[in-house]
Parts: sequence; structure tokens; C-alpha cells
Amino acid sequence: DIQMTQSPSTLSASVGDRVTITCRASQSVSSWLAWYQLKPGKAPRLLIYQASTLGGGVPSRFSGRGSGTEFTLTISSLQPDDLATYYCQQSNFYPLTFGGGTKVEIK
Amino acid sequence: EVQLVESGGGLVQPGGSLRLSCAASGFSFSDHYMDWVRQAPGKGLEWVGRIRKKSGSYTTEYAASVKDRFTISRDDSKNSLYLQMNGLKTEDTAVYYCSRADRTAHPAFDHWGQGTLVTVSS
Repeated sequence: DIQMTQSPSTLSASVGDRVTITCRASQSVSSWLAWYQLKPGKAPRLLIYQASTLGGGVPSRFSGRGSGTEFTLTISSLQPDDLATYYCQQSNFYPLTFGGGTKVEIK
Repeated sequence: EVQLVESGGGLVQPGGSLRLSCAASGFSFSDHYMDWVRQAPGKGLEWVGRIRKKSGSYTTEYAASVKDRFTISRDDSKNSLYLQMNGLKTEDTAVYYCSRADRTAHPAFDHWGQGTLVTVSS
């Protein structure tokens, strides 16, 4: 199985900060990497697919980069609404696998 | 507007069975692969399984942790997705999400339901 490793597991930043989350795959997944946002009690939301394509209705402050085994999700200017847990997920191989999550807290 | 609404969750004893349903609306259900994803309390997301569309012969894929115990099916005439769960274990306790796969070659989950809670406990 492809192991997805996210770092950091928790991140505390101030409103307006630039925030970057890293996701590493145990083997190449090409560009088949997605990012999701989870908030308690709400449906998960697709942010980025195919490593760098913004999902529908997602604010432009979110961006994704990478290919192969190393990927990043960047929030260019952190907003209070971005308080959430973020997951990466590879879709190149079965079983589909997620990273362990990064909880973003607002200072 | 795409909507996915799960139902059927609840409390079940270990070894028991439960069937989850997902009602889809706002899109052409038959044109999409569909997935189940779960989140155990305090844990991360775990993919459960996928069912392909008719052109993919409705074939399925499962996580090893549920293979041979869970079965995914769909009824395109009812725009509905199902998850039959047998031989339930305490570690199956989780919120179960229905999700739509996008139409790329290796789909991501582009829409999700709000989830339904399954609790396996004696």
C-alpha cells in the first residue's frame, strides 16, 4: 500500500500568515494527489485535485504543487475560516490512501 | 446542486449487520464512480471502497480492512448507493461518508455527504 505522510500534524499560525503543509508518498503517485478540508460536523471539501488544480468554488488563496512523491498545500494568507484539518490523498493506486492529517489552528 | 445524503447509521452489536444508504441528487448519478470513506472517532480518514459505473461493469474495490465483510452496491434507477456491512467489529465504529468520484482517470472525491455515524458496541 502507498503510505502518505503529512507534516506537520498540527500547525498554529496567525491570520494573514502564509502556511504550507507537506505530503510525501512512499512511492511515486505521479500527479494523482488531492487535498481535502475537514471541519467538525460538516461535509469534507475537495480543495485541490491532480496536485495543483483548484476545486470548484475554492478560494484562490489555496494552491497545490508537486509531483511524484512530494507535494505541498499552501494557504497564501490564512483566514479564520481556514480553521480545519487538512488531508492529502493519493488516487493512483488501490487501496486509495490518505495522509494522517494536519490540524490548522489560529493563534 | 450536488447533494449526497447518507442514512442508516446507528448502534449495532459486534458481529451484527447494518446497511447504509446514500441518496444522490443534482447530477447524473449513473455517470460517476462512487465511494465510501470513513472516519473513526479521533482518527483520520480511511477509504472503504469504490463501485464503478455501468461502463466499468459495476466492479468494486475495497480496503483490506473491510474486504469480505462489506459490500458496495448501487441502483442507478434510484440514484442510490449502498454499503452492506456484515460481521461488524468495534473498530468499524466511525462516521461513514458517501462521496462522488470526479471523472478524471484516477478520480478524487469531489463531493461528499455529511456522513452517518455507525457505532459498534455491546
